[in-house]
Amino acid sequence: LAKTTQPISMDSYEGQEVNITCSHNNIATNDYITWYQQFPSQGPRFIIQGYKTKVTNEVASLFIPADRKSSTLSLPRVSLSDTAVYYCLVGAIFTGTASKLTFGTGTRLQVTL
Amino acid sequence: GAVVSQHPSRVICKSGTSVKIECRSLDFQATTMFWYRQFPKQSLMLMATSNEGSKATYEQGVEKDKFLINHASLTLSTLTVTSAHPEDSSFYICSARGGDGQGFSPLHFGNGTRLTVT
Repeated sequence: LAKTTQPISMDSYEGQEVNITCSHNNIATNDYITWYQQFPSQGPRFIIQGYKTKVTNEVASLFIPADRKSSTLSLPRVSLSDTAVYYCLVGAIFTGTASKLTFGTGTRLQVTL
Repeated sequence: GAVVSQHPSRVICKSGTSVKIECRSLDFQATTMFWYRQFPKQSLMLMATSNEGSKATYEQGVEKDKFLINHASLTLSTLTVTSAHPEDSSFYICSARGGDGQGFSPLHFGNGTRLTVT
């Protein structure tokens, strides 16, 4: 399983763009990169997933360089409600059986006025 | 989108008793579900992989006789904490992959169960 490394915490002001980078040097060829958001006393919530280059949805963008050894989650114009812990996970999806995912430490994002 | 429902959301029990937590996939079938445990201010720790119709696969250090997992149908997995002790107090979270890994399907998580053992 690819191990991930993220900053422990980040601070931002409301309205700013926040970029959280995750390192996964041992990512395998059939591994995907998935980001989750978790609020206190809730289960993680899926944000975005990608394999290479750039993926964008209604809440975030995910940038993955060609070597795929890192990825960056970009949150445009954060608000106070984006204060949460963000997890980067790496694991195979296109396999015959579902693969387990291991959580790293996550990044605790604090958004203030 | 795929929804995973977990019950109860919180439970308080006395030391020595057993507690059952249910995890259901509401709008998809999941032959595999995962159980995690999370202590305050810490990350999620994978406990076991629940396989429909077969035995669960436990992570190293997790007692299979302590944490009984049953995955009797394609939409339901249960975790039973047997003879609970205060150190078992934690936040337990289940997850399932929509489409069971066949294709581009992320994990979806339940809202967790807060277990407090007194």
